[in-house]
Amino acid sequence: DTAVSQTPKYLVTQMGNDKSIKCEQNLGHDTMYWYKQDSKKFLKIMFSYNNKELIINETVPNRFSPKSPDKAHLNLHINSLELGDSAVYFCASSQGDRGPKTEQYFGPGTRLTVT
Amino acid sequence: GNSVTQMEGPVTLSEEAFLTINCTYTATGYPSLFWYVQYPGEGLQLLLKATKADDKGSNKGFEATYRKETTSFHLEKGSVQVSDSAVYFCALFTGGGNKLTFGTGTQLKVEL
Repeated sequence: DTAVSQTPKYLVTQMGNDKSIKCEQNLGHDTMYWYKQDSKKFLKIMFSYNNKELIINETVPNRFSPKSPDKAHLNLHINSLELGDSAVYFCASSQGDRGPKTEQYFGPGTRLTVT
Repeated sequence: GNSVTQMEGPVTLSEEAFLTINCTYTATGYPSLFWYVQYPGEGLQLLLKATKADDKGSNKGFEATYRKETTSFHLEKGSVQVSDSAVYFCALFTGGGNKLTFGTGTQLKVEL
């Protein structure tokens, strides 16, 4: 009964490849997020979707493209991977995008290593 | 813009010691404040939260009070355990920004 799940947990790939990370939540939430955590543990939001609509798009290279086929899923596709993309990527979800409902639930993370 | 400043780690304590991890913030409007914990190899879990000034969030022996006058939300625990070893993140949320802004995280190591 995992609340927010991500696949894969580990991803090792070479520079220039294209890869996807999948996220699913079974909490009935309508807002989902992608965060990037660098090697120093710094967390920064990348994208946020509310009811399948993009509401936050931080300064992220356009090689990163989120896709939300439905409210329960938010996938992250990365083209032309670079060494600097190596990080842990976390998916999260919340019941709403403002007010007391904004408590976010995080997935276990996907550790991406680009060689 | 919004920002969160946390004390740098790592913080190393002996079991049963008193813990304080400082957190101050800058925000427009009236943010909600959170502490998240990340255990080794895992995702973030919400530890506690406070949504308005003078609110005290508490969970698992941890406490933090929303101090608007000092723009702070310091995390405290009276007696830490080895199992509390983790990275602790302070974060704020403002509806206008639609996003959580995290501090840089503070690693806590508790030794026997």
